[in-house]
Formats: sequence, structure tokens, C-alpha cells
Amino acid sequence: KQEVTQIPAALSVPEGENLVLNCSFTDSAIYNLQWFRQDPGKGLTSLLLIQSSQREQTSGRLNASLDKSSGRSTLYIAASQPGDSATYLCAVPSGGSYIPTFGRGTSLIVHP
Amino acid sequence: EAGVAQSPRYKIIEKRQSVAFWCNPISGHATLYWYQQILGQGPKLLIQFQNNGVVDDSQLPKDRFSAERLKGVDSTLKIQPAKLEDSAVYLCASSSPFYRTHGRYEQYFGPGTRLTVT
Repeated sequence: KQEVTQIPAALSVPEGENLVLNCSFTDSAIYNLQWFRQDPGKGLTSLLLIQSSQREQTSGRLNASLDKSSGRSTLYIAASQPGDSATYLCAVPSGGSYIPTFGRGTSLIVHP
Repeated sequence: EAGVAQSPRYKIIEKRQSVAFWCNPISGHATLYWYQQILGQGPKLLIQFQNNGVVDDSQLPKDRFSAERLKGVDSTLKIQPAKLEDSAVYLCASSSPFYRTHGRYEQYFGPGTRLTVT
């Protein structure tokens, strides 16, 4: 059974810092890995999707890497802003039916 | 394109009552998911549909939860009777047809329904 762990659980930083959020998974037979953002009381917004054959994906100030063999992914946020404050979740579909498993998320606060 | 629609956005009921949630996925998306998200946790998959067939419902408490996706488009999730521990946000997501050889799909989520059971 796939298990997904996200570290740290919470993070509070001043504006402008570069951040690294971590996601680890136990079953490396994944099809892809997806990072989401969730604002309080809202649904999930997809940030980046990395296919299993890829090593990284970039979108603006976000960069996500994937190391399947070690069961790890990192989300790098450059020059953080208060508007980045949210919960960040990773999800991995695995198994023959692409069943997604989510981590518990990292709660990020960026203060001015 | 229009996103995933869900209703209602909020619902407060007493325990032992019943409740139903509705989801309309993005047009053309064959796969539909229902998740339960308890405060402070990641979403937990309840049921996954491919068109109108069930792909996985192993974590759906079938004694009280039921879901259907008639005609392979919109879907309803029902809880009867509700318990206090069912208080959570219920999220619906959909994805476009995926390709096994490329292992690619991307989930799009609705705004969720916040359920409070008193």
C-alpha cells in the first residue's frame, strides 16, 4: 500500500526566502507525481505534474524534482511571497488503476 | 473551460440524518473521484469512477455511504445516516482519459462541500 509523507508539516518564513518542501513515498512504481496548493476553505489547485520518466518540472517560481528510485520529490519555491501562504500537498497515483494517495500537506505561512 | 462544479458548498445536519452532494466534472473527463478531507489531513479517496463504472471503492464505508455516476457524467455522493466523524470537506475531482504507456493524468478539483454533523 502506498504511503506518502510530507515534511515539514508546517513552515513559517519571512518574505523573500527560498523554500524546499519535501514529499516521500514508499512504492516507487508510480506513474507521476502531482503537487497541489490548497487555500483555506477551498479546493485543490494543481501546480505541477511530473511524469515518472521526468526528473523535474518548472513553472514560474516553482520547481519540482522527482527521484523515483529514492522515493522522493521536492518542491522548490523561489523568492517566497505572502501570497504563497497555503497548504501544499503532493499526490502519487500507483497500482494498476492509478489510485491516488495524498500526503497530509505542508502548511506554509510567508509573513511580510 | 468550465471547472469542476460541486453543490452545496456548505451543509450542516444532525447525526443520523441523510445528506447528498452533487458533482459535475469537466466536460469530457472520463474519470471522477470523490475524496474526504478531514481537518489537518490530506484528501482520502472514497471512490473512483471511470465513465459510469467503479474503479475503486475500497475506502468507501458502504454501510452508510453510496455514490453513483449515472450516464458517466455528473455524480452524487450520499451519506445515510450521518455520524459525527463524517464532518469533513468532500472534494470531487475529474481527469481526462489517461494513457497507460505514458502514465499521465492530471486531476482538477472542485471547491468542495464542507459538511458539519452536530
